[in-house]
Amino acid sequence: DAKTTQPTSMDCAEGRAANLPCNHSTISGNEYVYWYRQIHSQGPQYIIHGLKNNETNEMASLIITEDRKSSTLILPHATLRDTAVYYCIVRVGNTDKLIFGTGTRLQVFP
Amino acid sequence: DAGVIQSPRHEVTEMGQEVTLRCKPISGHNSLFWYRQTMMRGLELLIYFNNNVPIDDSGMPEDRFSAKMPNASFSTLKIQPSEPRDSAVYFCASTLTGWNTEAFFGQGTRLTVV
Repeated sequence: DAKTTQPTSMDCAEGRAANLPCNHSTISGNEYVYWYRQIHSQGPQYIIHGLKNNETNEMASLIITEDRKSSTLILPHATLRDTAVYYCIVRVGNTDKLIFGTGTRLQVFP
Repeated sequence: DAGVIQSPRHEVTEMGQEVTLRCKPISGHNSLFWYRQTMMRGLELLIYFNNNVPIDDSGMPEDRFSAKMPNASFSTLKIQPSEPRDSAVYFCASTLTGWNTEAFFGQGTRLTVV
């Protein structure tokens, strides 16, 4: 299984962009990168996913490097409600499985 | 759709008792997952069903744990007998099989075994 490496924690000022990095150097050519977040004790919430092109939706943008060995999740204007643990996941091969790592704890401060 | 529905939201039970957690996936989804979350071990995948068939149960901790999916709209995770170390939040998630789909999680069941 392709593993991911994320910083343990990050801070961001409210209103600024939050850039969360993820390394996935062993990713295979047909594996997608997924991002989820978990606010307090709620169930993980889907944010965005991509294969090799950059992606954007109403929540965030996902930038994947050309060699696909790393990616960055961008929250363009962080709010206090974005404080959460953010998980970068490489979807396992040809299954639907999502294997969670330890994630990045993002703290947005006023 | 109301999303993935789990019940109960909270369960407190005594050691040795049987515990059954329930999950209703999103209608039309054909893959279902059970996860367990603790402070020590994070989010662990316990078992994964596809089209009601268990595909991978390698994460099930021991024989005290069992999971079933009798039909496409219902799944259970049973612990018998329960132990204090089973205390955790248990999440159910569902998705539609495919390379380009996302999984949706329920709100979880917080289990406390005393």
